[in-house]
Amino acid sequence: GAGVSQSPRYKVTKRGQDVALRCDPISGHVSLYWYRQALGQGPEFLTYFNYEAQQDKSGLPNDRFSAERPEGSISTLTIQRTEQRDSAMYRCASSTLAGGLGGELFFGEGSRLTVL
Amino acid sequence: AQSVSQHNHHVILSEAASLELGCNYSYGGTVNLFWYVQYPGQHLQLLLKYFSGDPLVKGIKGFEAEFIKSKFSFNLRKPSVQWSDTAEYFCAVNQAGTALIFGKGTTLSVSS
Repeated sequence: GAGVSQSPRYKVTKRGQDVALRCDPISGHVSLYWYRQALGQGPEFLTYFNYEAQQDKSGLPNDRFSAERPEGSISTLTIQRTEQRDSAMYRCASSTLAGGLGGELFFGEGSRLTVL
Repeated sequence: AQSVSQHNHHVILSEAASLELGCNYSYGGTVNLFWYVQYPGQHLQLLLKYFSGDPLVKGIKGFEAEFIKSKFSFNLRKPSVQWSDTAEYFCAVNQAGTALIFGKGTTLSVSS
C-alpha cells in the first residue's frame, strides 16, 4: 500500500477482554515496530521485527502483550485480559532497513485503545 | 538505562521568532539521532536525521539540528518559525541493532 495501515483506528473494550491490533506495513519494508503512546508522552517502544523474526520484545510491559509477524508482512499486536492502564494509542511503523541501522520509520495513523 | 530527554514540554512563540528545542541522550558510543514531527491530525514523520559526518544537519522546512558529542545533545533549531510549524516534536536515538527510543516530546504553539 501507499503507507502503513493500522486497524482498527479506534477500539473500545471492556476490562478483561482480549484485543488484537493489526498493522499492514509498506510493501517490501524489512522491519516493523510497535510503539505505545500515552497522552502527553512520547512513543514508548514495545517490540520490533526484522522480516518475520521478533528481534527485541524487551518493551512489552508483561506477558499479556504479544506480537507476531508470521509471514514477514502484516503484524498483529495482541493484548490479553485488558486492563484500564492499557488504554493508549498504539503505533506501528515500518522501515526499509533492518532494525537499528538508522532507517527512517514510516508511521501509521495509530490504533486508539480505550479499556473501560 | 538509556534515555532521551527533552527539556521543554511546551513552547509558545510568535511567528518569525527563532526556535531551539533541547534534546539530550544518555547513550555511550555511536548513536543515530533523529527528530520526528507530528502535525495536528497527522501521523509522525521524519524531520531530519544524523548518522555521521557534518554535525550540523539540515532537514525539511528550514529546520536544522546540531550534534554536540561532548554534550550528548542534538538540539533542533529554526531561525524563523511559521504558524504552520505548530506541532509536536520528538527527539529519538538508537544504536546499531536496537530500536528507536523517543523522548517525551515538545509541543510547539506558534501564534500568527
